[in-house]
Amino acid sequence: EAGVVQSPRYKIIEKKQPVAFWCNPISGHNTLYWYRQNLGQGPELLIRYENEEAVDDSQLPKDRFSAERLKGVDSTLKIQPAELGDSAVYLCASRSRESSYNEQFFGPGTRLTVL
Amino acid sequence: SQQGEEDPQALSIQEGENATMNCSYKTSINNLQWYRQNSGRGLVHLILIRSNEREKHSGRLRVTLDTSKKSSSLLITASRAADTASYFCATATMDSNYQLIWGAGTKLIIKP
Repeated sequence: EAGVVQSPRYKIIEKKQPVAFWCNPISGHNTLYWYRQNLGQGPELLIRYENEEAVDDSQLPKDRFSAERLKGVDSTLKIQPAELGDSAVYLCASRSRESSYNEQFFGPGTRLTVL
Repeated sequence: SQQGEEDPQALSIQEGENATMNCSYKTSINNLQWYRQNSGRGLVHLILIRSNEREKHSGRLRVTLDTSKKSSSLLITASRAADTASYFCATATMDSNYQLIWGAGTKLIIKP
């Protein structure tokens, strides 16, 4: 079984440029999470999807961040325009509907550097 | 917001020794989970303990949970160089089993 796939693994951009991250969750996992992880810290939730519906986006900075999961499978997270403070690792995770205890499966992350 | 606080922030021990990491949290939980993150990689689920459990084992891992003190500990016995990683606790709260609240992690270094 393939794990959570993310691309790209690394991205370096200049501030004010747009950037997009892609995630393909484990097949059949209906819940998808986007997290941001700063150096030396734990993940911070940005948005959670149940199928194609964003059910928790309270932590997503909506002035510059957007996300979509149009068909309830893969998802894209976009930042436009990027700021220096956006440098972090962006993690995608998924969870099975059958999971009773919210065990999450993570992708390798995209390390974003904004110059 | 981060609920869990791991202690210590960093731990360096010799290979073969035991490593103990602690996690404290603030609100009532449904379960508590421990994850490992190798450098530059995603997080990997290690073990889950439910709020009505006090101790759980998985291989060289032993997790305890004290809900009265709102704390958990992760013990790795007979440590190996491959155990070098950051370890995070995450809690699923009573009112939302879909969201995990994460601590800042303990960075564990195993010296050969």
